[in-house]
Amino acid sequence: NAGVMQNPRHLVRRRGQEARLRCSPMKGHSHVYWYRQLPEEGLKFMVYLQKENIIDESGMPKERFSAEFPKEGPSILRIQQVVRGDSAAYFCASQTGYNTEAFFGQGTRLTVV
Amino acid sequence: DQQVKQNSPSLSVQEGRISILNCDYTNSMFDYFLWYKKYPAEGPTFLISISSIKDKNEDGRFTVFLNKSAKHLSLHIVPSQPGDSAVYFCAASVYGGSQGNLIFGKGTKLSVKP
Repeated sequence: NAGVMQNPRHLVRRRGQEARLRCSPMKGHSHVYWYRQLPEEGLKFMVYLQKENIIDESGMPKERFSAEFPKEGPSILRIQQVVRGDSAAYFCASQTGYNTEAFFGQGTRLTVV
Repeated sequence: DQQVKQNSPSLSVQEGRISILNCDYTNSMFDYFLWYKKYPAEGPTFLISISSIKDKNEDGRFTVFLNKSAKHLSLHIVPSQPGDSAVYFCAASVYGGSQGNLIFGKGTKLSVKP
């Protein structure tokens, strides 16, 4: 049973480009969460999705960021027109349901140059 | 406003001794708590959890204690091993809540010296 898979592991983008981060949850997990970790900080919740539904996006910046979890395929976190402040590690976690432990992927490290 | 606080950014202990990592929370609605361990360039790994109906949960060398009245929990590692050196994150959520997302502290970097 493969763990949570995130790709790419490292992503470099120039300012103004788009970044697409992908996450495939563990088999049987229907809850996907995205977190962002800035240097020297803890993980901050961004968005919670179930298949084809955004359940809670209260942690997402209001502009340029979007997320989806389609019926088929991985969850995608999309950042348009990236800026240097978007440089961070982005982690995806999946759970079988509420109040179960979250299993994390290895993260995508986004660097905006 | 930080709802989960880990006030010690770092902790250094000798191999074989006890490591005690502390965590405080402010939201009285939290009733499910977890500890994660994180190595550099890796994702967090689940260690141990506790719900508010308990005050202690033990798993091998790891024990989590919860003091609800003080809104405080701690992770004890006995005996500490060099391989335990990592950043430890405390996280909390609301049991029965419809969201399930975790609120993380900023982490404590544990160094276990041989």
